[in-house]
Amino acid sequence: AQRVTQPEKLLSVFKGAPVELKCNYSYSGSPELFWYVQYSRQRLQLLLRHISRESIKGFTADLNKGETSFHLKKPFAQEEDSAMYYCALSGLRGGSNYKLTFGKGTLLTVNP
Amino acid sequence: DTAVSQTPKYLVTQMGNDKSIKCEQNLGHDTMYWYKQDSKKFLKIMFSYNNKELIINETVPNRFSPKSPDKAHLNLHINSLELGDSAVYFCASSQPSRGAEAFFGQGTRLTVV
Repeated sequence: AQRVTQPEKLLSVFKGAPVELKCNYSYSGSPELFWYVQYSRQRLQLLLRHISRESIKGFTADLNKGETSFHLKKPFAQEEDSAMYYCALSGLRGGSNYKLTFGKGTLLTVNP
Repeated sequence: DTAVSQTPKYLVTQMGNDKSIKCEQNLGHDTMYWYKQDSKKFLKIMFSYNNKELIINETVPNRFSPKSPDKAHLNLHINSLELGDSAVYFCASSQPSRGAEAFFGQGTRLTVV
C-alpha cells in the first residue's frame, strides 16, 4: 500500500519568513515523489518532482529515504505562495500505469 | 491551448438525477484519471484508464461509470446523484513512459441539492 501523510492541515507564516511543508510517505518500493500546488479555484499543477532536483519558484524538496520524507522548503515566503500544497507519491502498478496517491494537503497562508 | 479540459465547469442538479462530466486531453497521453476532491480538499483517485482500458477502480459506487471512447477522452457518468456526491471532480492525464507526472483539468464543481 502507498500512503502520503501531510501532518499540517494549515500553515501560516509572514512574508519573508522561511517555510517548510512536511510530507512523509509509506511505500514498499522505490517511489516517485511530487509536490503539486493549487492556487485559489485553479487546477492542480506540478510544482516539482524529486527526480528533477530543481528549484521552482524558490521551492526545493529533498527526498530522504531514511526518514521517508519529502519536505517542501522555501527560505523566504511570498504572499503569492499562498495556496494549497499537495504531496504525492506514485508507484508502478498494473503494468504501464501509474497511480498518484495524494496527501490531504496543507493550506499555506503567507501574511503581509 | 488547454491541455486537459473538462465540461462543464459547474454543475448544479437535484438528487436522483443522472449527469455526465466530459474530459478531453490533447497531450497525446495514454493514461487518464478521475479524481474527487471533497469539501475538506482531500484528493482521491476514482478511476484510471490506459489506452481506453480500465486499470484502476478505487471502491467507487456502481453509480459512477467511466467511459473512454478513445484515449483522448474519459467521461464520467453518475446515476442517481446523492448529496454526498457534491465535490470537485478533476480529470487528469499522464504519459507512463515519462513518469507519473499528471496534468489536471480545471475541475468540475458538482453540487447536488
